[in-house]
Amino acid sequence: GEDVEQSLFLSVREGDSSVINCTYTDSSSTYLYWYKQEPGAGLQLLTYIFSNMDMKQDQRLTVLLNKKDKHLSLRIADTQTGDSAIYFCAEGQNQGGKLIFGQGTELSVKP
Amino acid sequence: SQTIHQWPATLVQPVGSPLSLECTVEGTSNPNLYWYRQAAGRGLQLLFYSVGIGQISSEVPQNLSASRPQDRQFILSSKKLLLSDSGFYLCAWRGQGAYYGYTFGSGTRLTVV
Repeated sequence: GEDVEQSLFLSVREGDSSVINCTYTDSSSTYLYWYKQEPGAGLQLLTYIFSNMDMKQDQRLTVLLNKKDKHLSLRIADTQTGDSAIYFCAEGQNQGGKLIFGQGTELSVKP
Repeated sequence: SQTIHQWPATLVQPVGSPLSLECTVEGTSNPNLYWYRQAAGRGLQLLFYSVGIGQISSEVPQNLSASRPQDRQFILSSKKLLLSDSGFYLCAWRGQGAYYGYTFGSGTRLTVV
């Protein structure tokens, strides 16, 4: 069945780059998403990438997609303490259906 | 612009009491609507989703039910709460366009005591 895997924790120093990785199993996924959840809040969509793209950049965020290996990554440049949160990877198909979420990676940024 | 409202933000209920959580979406029509629960362990569990009025799909059999009485209204209910129903409940909507991800509400923290 469909599955999305992420490592659970990542710790970086302020100013460094963070790379959060994700693997998925559904080769028919059309879009892949990154969400951010701050403590006690809902999930906020950070960015998404279409499956026929290899890379997408949006300010400090870079998303890389290796469709052959079904591997997705989120790079945050110049990581700040405000970036500390849980980051969820999700994959979905057309037709506005369900998204499948990973377990989330807790990013801790140390000053 | 589209907005999603979810209430209440926090709720403390005794075991055996009923539950009603409401979610409404503005600025769009015929959205797909979802209820998720996030337990302390962080993972998101899809409880129910709806593609139209009166159309509810249940992902996990349990003590909860959902209803969609209007196009942009999604309600999560229980007749008798269990301790295990405690958690963070999130409502989300997704448009019909292919690239739409979910837009989440701010969540309801439910504690059953």
